[in-house]
Amino acid sequence: EAQVTQNPRYLITVTGKKLTVTCSQNMNHEYMSWYRQDPGLGLRQIYYSMNVEVTDKGDVPEGYKVSRKEKRNFPLILESPSPNQTSLYFCASSLGRDRAKNIQYFGAGTRLSVL
Amino acid sequence: QKEVEQNSGPLSVPEGAIASLNCTYSDRGSQSFFWYRQYSGKSPELIMSIYSNGDKEDGRFTAQLNKASQYVSLLIRDSQPSDSATYLCAVRNYGQNFVFGPGTRLSVLP
Repeated sequence: EAQVTQNPRYLITVTGKKLTVTCSQNMNHEYMSWYRQDPGLGLRQIYYSMNVEVTDKGDVPEGYKVSRKEKRNFPLILESPSPNQTSLYFCASSLGRDRAKNIQYFGAGTRLSVL
Repeated sequence: QKEVEQNSGPLSVPEGAIASLNCTYSDRGSQSFFWYRQYSGKSPELIMSIYSNGDKEDGRFTAQLNKASQYVSLLIRDSQPSDSATYLCAVRNYGQNFVFGPGTRLSVLP
């Protein structure tokens, strides 16, 4: 089954404790993105990647890191989480740049609470 | 800051009516436009994509794009209770930079 898989689905942590949220897709998609969703603000793009070893900042990159060492994986790293990073996070992937290919498919989401 | 705006709603329509959802965007260079549906606690799922001015129809859904007015809309005909969800408008500006609106919550009343 074609899918984007995020883990964990739920995470409660404390301020300053490094964490990684994993994202994997099995569709051989070139492009992958991370978003956070907060009430009233919609989805905001954190980082995106257009290929292996190619990443770029979205609209809210502060406090986050990403890496793209393999095509299928795009982990989101919070080196020192803070309470304002409490949010619902989504990973998404799309096949490519062309119109027919840039439709994004989303993972199930990771709900993160930073105490 | 590139922005995408939507009325937050809730928009309430009776079953069988037409629901009209609107979206405006600030960047004239925007290239691609999408409507996603998101049920509570679930991930967004694509309903429609539109790239050129005019209308695009898919079943009960019609997307309309007017680049001169920087306006995108989604019409849902014969609305069903199962259409009750939050509808997200998204715009692709460059590369893979996507900007989403805050969403409009639609409630279809039986």
